[in-house]
Amino acid sequence: DTAVSQTPKYLVTQMGNDKSIKCEQNLGHDTMYWYKQDSKKFLKIMFSYNNKELIINETVPNRFSPKSPDKAHLNLHINSLELGDSAVYFCASNGGPTQQETQYFGPGTRLLVL
Amino acid sequence: SQQGEEDPQALSIQEGENATMNCSYKTSINNLQWYRQNSGRGLVHLILIRSNEREKHSGRLRVTLDTSKKSSSLLITASRAADTASYFCATGLGTSYGKLTFGQGTILTVHP
Repeated sequence: DTAVSQTPKYLVTQMGNDKSIKCEQNLGHDTMYWYKQDSKKFLKIMFSYNNKELIINETVPNRFSPKSPDKAHLNLHINSLELGDSAVYFCASNGGPTQQETQYFGPGTRLLVL
Repeated sequence: SQQGEEDPQALSIQEGENATMNCSYKTSINNLQWYRQNSGRGLVHLILIRSNEREKHSGRLRVTLDTSKKSSSLLITASRAADTASYFCATGLGTSYGKLTFGQGTILTVHP
């Protein structure tokens, strides 16, 4: 039973294309996140949603658009992909009322833009 | 700007030895957490220490927090080859939305 799952695991695409990454959590958490991990392993938060509402929107190009159809899902759509978008994208969800700060991560989506 | 900075960036030890990783941060925090990332995997939460705590233990892990120096350390005792991974500290402000700011990580290699 995967707690936080992401699809696809790998994504190789050409510059200029539009792609989506999907995330689902079955932990019953209210808050979900998208992180980007660059080639130096630096992990930076991009977005956070709480119960389908956008809470955190860090300085991210507007080519990136998150969408949360319900509190168990948080998808990330990227328009006009650029070489610099190549990275590993992690979805995470926030622990329940007794563990509010603990985050549970998905396995990551490795995006390579050629 | 990046909140946490970790030291060393890479650490190589033999099985059975202890591994110590340090993390420094810049602003006031509510809590500090340590996560492990195995190669090609997502991050896994290890331990959380709150700003009013000085030390915490979990199995072979010992975490200290010095808020006056804005620093924390993670000690892994009697290391095993399976401990080989990247270790990240993350600082939290204690909001209900749990925003975390991560350091750049320490790559630990434990040789059998």
